[in-house]
Amino acid sequence: AQSVSQHNHHVILSEAASLELGCNYSYGGTVNLFWYVQYPGQHLQLLLKYFSGDPLVKGIKGFEAEFIKSKFSFNLRKPSVQWSDTAEYFCAVISGGYQKVTFGTGTKLQVIP
Amino acid sequence: NAGVTQTPKFQVLKTGQSMTLQCAQDMNHEYMSWYRQDPGMGLRLIHYSVGAGITDQGEVPNGYNVSRSTTEDFPLRLLSAAPSQTSVYFCASSYKGPGTSGNRYEQFFGPGTRLTVL
Repeated sequence: AQSVSQHNHHVILSEAASLELGCNYSYGGTVNLFWYVQYPGQHLQLLLKYFSGDPLVKGIKGFEAEFIKSKFSFNLRKPSVQWSDTAEYFCAVISGGYQKVTFGTGTKLQVIP
Repeated sequence: NAGVTQTPKFQVLKTGQSMTLQCAQDMNHEYMSWYRQDPGMGLRLIHYSVGAGITDQGEVPNGYNVSRSTTEDFPLRLLSAAPSQTSVYFCASSYKGPGTSGNRYEQFFGPGTRLTVL
């Protein structure tokens, strides 16, 4: 069964600091990878996604992620965070066609002004 | 488009009561799913459907039933509520699409239902 690991459970950064959130998955075949964001009190929204092609994916609000197949990783990055980026971030994986979507346990990001 | 809608937004039940959480989408998506979100556990898949008349179990199906009689609706039934089912429930839908369609498999989430079982 596929699994997704997000090793950072809670990250605290100052505004303008750079961000990198880790995501590792366990599945050897073709995968579709996603990052979702959940702002306080809201539902999940898509940040970015990877299906194929360029492993560096750019999403909304200045976020990007890099798919490294050899490391089974899909880390999320942002060069300079803002207070409004305070939210919980979830990595998700779909493998082998639409079977089941597996989410990581999430990383809470707190950005201090 | 309204997207994915869920009702109710909040619900308090007593142990043993039953209820149905409603979910509807107007995007003609083939796939629909129910998740529960608990602190520190992320989202866990309860049940999912790949089309009308077809449902399957996810990671945590016990205590829940689903049906998919139409493309639009995917209700989640709690048969006999237990305190362990206190959670926030999210419904999501996604587009199947051909090949590597850019929107394929992207999950669109509803606003959630916060359920408390006493």
